[in-house]
Amino acid sequence: QVQLQESGPGLVKPSETLSLTCTVSGGSVSSGTYYWSWIRQSPEKGLDWIGYIYYSGSTNYNPSLKSRVTISVDTSKNQFSLKLSSVTAADTAVYYCATTNTAAFDIWGQGTMVTVSS
Amino acid sequence: QSALTQPASVSGSPGQSITISCTGTTSDVGGYNYVSWYQQHPGKAPKLLIYAVSNRPSGVSNRFSGSKSGNTASLTISGLQAEDEADYYCSSYTSISTLVFGGGTNLTVL
Repeated sequence: QVQLQESGPGLVKPSETLSLTCTVSGGSVSSGTYYWSWIRQSPEKGLDWIGYIYYSGSTNYNPSLKSRVTISVDTSKNQFSLKLSSVTAADTAVYYCATTNTAAFDIWGQGTMVTVSS
Repeated sequence: QSALTQPASVSGSPGQSITISCTGTTSDVGGYNYVSWYQQHPGKAPKLLIYAVSNRPSGVSNRFSGSKSGNTASLTISGLQAEDEADYYCSSYTSISTLVFGGGTNLTVL
């Protein structure tokens, strides 16, 4: 069974770049079975899809974040990553990584809280 | 892309059935049979309940069912239990190959 674990800094300064990694265990990012997504949830708010990547490197992003987001995959480390540039307080959220199959998010990481503050 | 529309809250008594709606457009919910539903308890990651409109993953109770009519999808929970009290979110594939969530619905079991 695939398991996901997010990692990265819990505190990022305004205008800097948020960087998170999702480590995949029990499966391979290269398998082609899944797309690999990032999703966030601001405090007391709903879910917001950030984007996904396929093992081939093909990506698609939320149009509202597209200019600031890069998702990449590292097959040698069995990981995929998120970079969000020029962050503001509005980017403070719990960030989740998830597998995406049949346009549904079937396996989720536990989530990691990222606060944007000086 | 705009968030899908869900009621902010619903409530029901134990044993009853409730339905949560999720309204989109022909560019998302109405255009594709790729609507999914998630349950989220406080402090926990969401859990997939329904995918592709009406399919349940292995291990999900058959008390949860999904359907769609036009631009509106629905999640029905039958035989309501105290443990069903949670937030529920819908999601849909869109015409620009993205995914979009609904705003979420808080379910209270009275």
